[in-house]
Amino acid sequence: SAVISQKPSRDICQRGTSLTIQCQVDSQVTMMFWYRQQPGQSLTLIATANQGSEATYESGFVIDKFPISRPNLTFSTLTVSNMSPEDSSIYLCSAAAGSGYEQYFGPGTRLTVT
Amino acid sequence: GDSVTQMEGPVTLSEEAFLTINCTYTATGYPSLFWYVQYPGEGLQLLLKATKADDKGSNKGFEATYRKETTSFHLEKGSVQVSDSAVYFCALGGSQGNLIFGKGTKLSVKP
Repeated sequence: SAVISQKPSRDICQRGTSLTIQCQVDSQVTMMFWYRQQPGQSLTLIATANQGSEATYESGFVIDKFPISRPNLTFSTLTVSNMSPEDSSIYLCSAAAGSGYEQYFGPGTRLTVT
Repeated sequence: GDSVTQMEGPVTLSEEAFLTINCTYTATGYPSLFWYVQYPGEGLQLLLKATKADDKGSNKGFEATYRKETTSFHLEKGSVQVSDSAVYFCALGGSQGNLIFGKGTKLSVKP
């Protein structure tokens, strides 16, 4: 299994600003993902963070709004840019040893935009 | 595209009652299937999984069987406890290694 930490655990941000969320895994993993969980809702995949190349975004999510970095096999960041209240959500990082393997999730970052 | 349909909640049960949370899926091929649980104030945890037809995943008294013929993966527990109160998510493994989640079912168990 993998242990995943995220920073910050929560933040309150003003409209128009940006926040970068960090995700650290305690072991090298093949795949890392970023999900969003809006209040009372299920999880929606934002993008797959690819090591050494651009992230792969799901429909409805774009790089300008959610730039992602993955400089190595244990670390990734997600930036929520030019925030609006609609971005208020929990953002979760997950990791897997490979396709078809179980995913392990970080504790999430609870973001509130005012 | 691939999708997961999960029983709507909330579900409220008395302690020691039998639990079933229905989950059906639509997918090309035979994806791995998962149940995740989110306890109040905590992160998402893998509860159990099954990787092929007729596999039974089990953990902490919970069970789910991968039924190819009915495209289902229902979660069951014979006797729930107050500590089982949580939100349960059914998920399938997407072709890109990601997970596709159902909407989640909130379970409340009363003493």
